[in-house]
Amino acid sequence: KAGVTQTPRYLIKTRGQQVTLSCSPISGHRSVSWYQQTPGQGLQFLFEYFSETQRNKGNFPGRFSGRQFSNSRSEMNVSTLELGDSALYLCASSSPGLAIDTQYFGPGTRLTVL
Amino acid sequence: DQQVKQNSPSLSVQEGRISILNCDYTNSMFDYFLWYKKYPAEGPTFLISISSIKDKNEDGRFTVFLNKSAKHLSLHIVPSQPGDSAVYFCAASQNTGKLIFGQGTTLQVKP
Repeated sequence: KAGVTQTPRYLIKTRGQQVTLSCSPISGHRSVSWYQQTPGQGLQFLFEYFSETQRNKGNFPGRFSGRQFSNSRSEMNVSTLELGDSALYLCASSSPGLAIDTQYFGPGTRLTVL
Repeated sequence: DQQVKQNSPSLSVQEGRISILNCDYTNSMFDYFLWYKKYPAEGPTFLISISSIKDKNEDGRFTVFLNKSAKHLSLHIVPSQPGDSAVYFCAASQNTGKLIFGQGTTLQVKP
């Protein structure tokens, strides 16, 4: 099976702009979670989608939003970018209902805000 | 409030020896625990997991131990290989699609 794919891999934006990141889960996986990794805060949970519904949300401002499509692909949007949004954004897919809800991660999108 | 902690930022071991990475947690509601390995600028790679109903799980060179009373888990790598050099994260879950990660431990395996 192909792994989790994320596009684009690298992105440079300026403050105030908005950005959309895309994630395609492993075939058959219906849950997609998003994480932000920064040197200071580590890996932090943004939100999780299952069957096109947001089931869980982390402690991020409303500028961070997401959605999931009927084919389980997910997008994450960040509006009014700030310098502090520079990070590696990771998505992970899983198949809830298994004994352990193991999440498998994509390679990430490196976002740089100038 | 950091619910999952990896108190050792780094660990250095000799090739062939055992590597022991530790992780503590505070939330007794966590059901599952996972270990991931990560290289810079890449996504974490799943290594091994354990359910809260077990106290040990093995997969090849990797063994995870869970001590629920101490709220502590550890990852043992035997024997350690230079290719194991990476950042290791432990994570905890209540099977809600949300993983809580520790801050990571950088493992260096010296030839």
